[in-house]
Amino acid sequence: AQSVTQLDSQVPVFEEAPVELRCNYSSSVSVYLFWYVQYPNQGLQLLLKYLSGSTLVKGINGFEAEFNKSQTSFHLRKPSVHISDTAEYFCAGGSYNQGGKLIFGQGTELSVKP
Amino acid sequence: DTGVSQNPRHKITKRGQNVTFRCDPISEHNRLYWYRQTLGQGPEFLTYFQNEAQLEKSRLLSDRFSAERPKGSFSTLEIQRTEQGDSAMYLCASSPRGLATGELFFGEGSRLTVL
Repeated sequence: AQSVTQLDSQVPVFEEAPVELRCNYSSSVSVYLFWYVQYPNQGLQLLLKYLSGSTLVKGINGFEAEFNKSQTSFHLRKPSVHISDTAEYFCAGGSYNQGGKLIFGQGTELSVKP
Repeated sequence: DTGVSQNPRHKITKRGQNVTFRCDPISEHNRLYWYRQTLGQGPEFLTYFQNEAQLEKSRLLSDRFSAERPKGSFSTLEIQRTEQGDSAMYLCASSPRGLATGELFFGEGSRLTVL
């Protein structure tokens, strides 16, 4: 079955510290992978995407993620977080034969403290 | 604003009433998706359209739920005889025509509260 698993439901971190949000996927959703961010009472905004090619993907707001096929992971990283990064982050995956439908993980709440 | 538009943004209703949500996708996008998101969870797929054709429905979409996209432009999601368990954020997303790269563009959602 297709699945995307986010390993941490909450990640508290101090401002300017590095952060990693972990995501694992099943092989059936390995064709393309995404990270979305959701601020309170808002829709989802795309942070970055992996379709093919380089396994290190850079996104907006200084975030990057690395596609690791052998470990079926797509972890999100940022070297130095800001208060404004406090939000819910979702990993999602899909494949071309699924009509563009994405399967989402359960979400990770990133809380950046001063 | 050329993004995905959803309305109403908030709807409070009593159990047993019918509600309808509307989604206007980005104009050149031919695929339209509905997702449901409950508190503390990721979005769950409900259904999607390619133009006016509804191509897939999730098992989450019970008989009380119906979605339409009559002219391949805007879409409506109707919930009949609402139950408290229907309380959630209903998200609409669209994606462009052609080979899908997978990126979905989301609206801000319609939050339903069933009392």
